[in-house]
Amino acid sequence: EDKVVQSPLSLVVHEGDTVTLNCSYEVTNFRSLLWYKQEKKAPTFLFMLTSSGIEKKSGRLSSILDKKELFSILNITATQTGDSAVYLCAPLYSGTYKYIFGTGTRLKVLA
Amino acid sequence: EAGVTQFPSHSVIEKGQTVTLRCDPISGHDNLYWYRRVMGKEIKFLLHFVKESKQDESGMPNNRFLAERTGGTYSTLKVQPAELEDSGVYFCASSQGFTGGNSPLHFGNGTRLTVT
Repeated sequence: EDKVVQSPLSLVVHEGDTVTLNCSYEVTNFRSLLWYKQEKKAPTFLFMLTSSGIEKKSGRLSSILDKKELFSILNITATQTGDSAVYLCAPLYSGTYKYIFGTGTRLKVLA
Repeated sequence: EAGVTQFPSHSVIEKGQTVTLRCDPISGHDNLYWYRRVMGKEIKFLLHFVKESKQDESGMPNNRFLAERTGGTYSTLKVQPAELEDSGVYFCASSQGFTGGNSPLHFGNGTRLTVT
């Protein structure tokens, strides 16, 4: 059965800290992986990863995929209180093109 | 560009009643997905439309759930009759492209369904 595990489940840090969020997956016919940030309502898109070893960056956030070891990480440097959210990863099962979500990592950044 | 819109934002119904949720995807997006988040659990896939056709409905819990996407534009998800375990947040998402595999999902704000 397809499986996505995110760790840690939750994390509390202080502003300025750097965090690494993990996503490991077992998905048949893997094609790509998405990262999302969810605050109060709709998850908002962060990154789409399709190739191993190529880092995607957006400001203080970056992400990388390892298709051999079946995991991805999301890094946030110099965290701010506005980074507090649930971070979700979702690999794509390309059999029928459905994204499978992990339970998420809840990040709280204290001032 | 207008985002994915869902209606209503919150619905409270009694067990046994019927509820219909609506999703308007981003214009031009062929792929439309329904997901559900039950409290404390992950966002679970329900089904995927490509235009008006059901590509994958393997996540639909049972035959009390019926999704439609007439004309390939907006979609509705009907729950009839509702049970307590149907409570949760129902998200709709859309993406471009025929297969959906090369573009990200854009989510609506969700409909919070409470069955009492």
